[in-house]
Amino acid sequence: DQQVKQNSPSLSVQEGRISILNCDYTNSMFDYFLWYKKYPAEGPTFLISISSIKDKNEDGRFTVFLNKSAKHLSLHIVPSQPGDSAVYFCAAGNNDMRFGAGTRLTVKP
Amino acid sequence: NAGVMQNPRHLVRRRGQEARLRCSPVKGHSHVYWYRQLPEEGLKFMVYLQKENIIDESGMPKERFSAEFPKEGPSILRIQQVVRGDSAAYFCASSPRVPGVNTEAFFGQGTRLTVV
Repeated sequence: DQQVKQNSPSLSVQEGRISILNCDYTNSMFDYFLWYKKYPAEGPTFLISISSIKDKNEDGRFTVFLNKSAKHLSLHIVPSQPGDSAVYFCAAGNNDMRFGAGTRLTVKP
Repeated sequence: NAGVMQNPRHLVRRRGQEARLRCSPVKGHSHVYWYRQLPEEGLKFMVYLQKENIIDESGMPKERFSAEFPKEGPSILRIQQVVRGDSAAYFCASSPRVPGVNTEAFFGQGTRLTVV
């Protein structure tokens, strides 16, 4: 039962451009959403979160948008940098966290 | 200021043996989560524990897998009679309370289990 879905396994963008990572969910009871970033051979690290009562949260180059009616959220990274190349996981939760399958972002110099 | 510590980092077991994966949460954290990442796949929720209690084990196979988080000591994920399909990276995360928008969960570096 995949409650959180990331349908794009990979994304490649040019340095300096915008990266947009998408995530869909099915459980309307989720009350918070998070994005984690993962480098190879390391554990995921927290990036940014958003409450279900908001539609946007911004932190530096990272902005998360939430569309509750569409059960969709997205992470925007602008400008993208080569160091942003990693796997990005979307997560959603109520009392625990459920993760999507991840999107591998490659930022080309 | 230690983060979540998982050991061992790498574990090799023969089919039929037992695997014990340990997770020491961040000091003061009472909530622990275990996730499994199969090759080329995302993080799959397995179990959520809060000191001495299993809160949600809906993602854990009903046979051969068990988890505990005793009052003292690390959380243990135990896999009995391992099979090749158990080969994966197992990640543990901890949080001081139920995770939410203002309470992030911190992950360990994972234990990579290989069953030969």
